[in-house]
Amino acid sequence: GESVGLHLPTLSVQEGDNSIINCAYSNSASDYFIWYKQESGKGPQFIIDIRSNMDKRQGQRVTVLLNKTVKHLSLQIAATQPGDSAVYFCAETTGGGADGLTFGKGTHLIIQP
Amino acid sequence: DTEVTQTPKHLVMGMTNKKSLKCEQHMGHRAMYWYKQKAKKPPELMFVYSYEKLSINESVPSRFSPECPNSSLLNLHLHALQPEDSALYLCASSQTFRETQYFGPGTRLLVL
Repeated sequence: GESVGLHLPTLSVQEGDNSIINCAYSNSASDYFIWYKQESGKGPQFIIDIRSNMDKRQGQRVTVLLNKTVKHLSLQIAATQPGDSAVYFCAETTGGGADGLTFGKGTHLIIQP
Repeated sequence: DTEVTQTPKHLVMGMTNKKSLKCEQHMGHRAMYWYKQKAKKPPELMFVYSYEKLSINESVPSRFSPECPNSSLLNLHLHALQPEDSALYLCASSQTFRETQYFGPGTRLLVL
């Protein structure tokens, strides 16, 4: 079964507002999490990652929060721009050897002018 | 440079054809991956190569045959595919496991 999921398939926000995209995971052994952005017709693009020994990490206009207690991950995008319109996926890996990523269902972020 | 390239961009093939997808990276990454992505779905892992050896085969049908000729190249050989195999095929690479995976643009495959 799928171990990573998202609460909302579509999120619509006003340009300039902050966006928060959520992700729930069920595998308590997961220790590395990545957020990807995928625009139409393109491959997933790395945004930001976080390891399980951290609870917050910041990048340029983006912040990832990890709550291991409730197995929840979120991506915050500050001052959303039209170019942020895309599908956002969270992904996890448990490490410990050869493994790939397990992706969540994805959230389609729509920016309204 | 975090570029992974894939060729071709688009591919249309019949169910009796044999074709190959190619992936290349020059970042010195030692892990490479194939994923399959259906429309409006997340990518799903197919194969993992580590140091040019197949590490994971996620129960993929034998009509998909991966090959890693060297540390920079990854191929996916296709034979006798079915229409339901139509999808976007993504290649990714990472320095090692549990490191960031960088994806290529994908090959959009249509099986008629």
